[in-house]
Amino acid sequence: AQTVTQSQPEMSVQEAETVTLSCTYDTSENNYYLFWYKQPPSRQMILVIRQEAYKQQNATENRFSVNFQKAAKSFSLKISDSQLGDTAMYFCAFMKPYFGNEKLTFGTGTRLTIIP
Amino acid sequence: EPEVTQTPSHQVTQMGQEVILRCVPISNHLYFYWYRQILGQKVEFLVSFYNNEISEKSEIFDDQFSVERPDGSNFTLKIRSTKLEDSAMYFCASSQGQLTNYGYTFGSGTRLTVV
Repeated sequence: AQTVTQSQPEMSVQEAETVTLSCTYDTSENNYYLFWYKQPPSRQMILVIRQEAYKQQNATENRFSVNFQKAAKSFSLKISDSQLGDTAMYFCAFMKPYFGNEKLTFGTGTRLTIIP
Repeated sequence: EPEVTQTPSHQVTQMGQEVILRCVPISNHLYFYWYRQILGQKVEFLVSFYNNEISEKSEIFDDQFSVERPDGSNFTLKIRSTKLEDSAMYFCASSQGQLTNYGYTFGSGTRLTVV
């Protein structure tokens, strides 16, 4: 079974600074997907970014980028120029897609607070 | 943009009562899921559903839980006899399958409170 570990329960950073959230995972699979989800106080689950394991290039989405280290099984999220709206819980998630099933396995989350 | 719709947004029920949580997935999605999040904890997989049957269920998904897609549009989660520990946020999600275009979408959740 896959496991996802987020070792930082809480983080805070000043507005406009850069912050990096850590995630490690354990799997014996070679083909899989990794995701970062944002959960604001409304508790909606919002996709931030995804990475396919077969791609060497790190994914980027505007101010969000990842550092994917497949051999080390590490998948960190970097938020540049942080904004007050980035305040939320952030969950790292793993998916090994099978036919008929693409369940997500989540980490325990990191509560990020952006300080004005 | 297409949405996954969940109703109700909040439900309060007495311990031992049956509850049905409802979800309308995105219309061209084929895979359906329920997840649970106890307050302050991580999101946990409950069950996946494809081609009118369960693909996988977790240890949490015991005999008190059931899912069905009664009319081709709704996707429901039933808890037969609720316990206090069933109090949580329940998320429905749907996906296109095979991640061809990555259409994996969560609903906004139903907060279930068992008293």
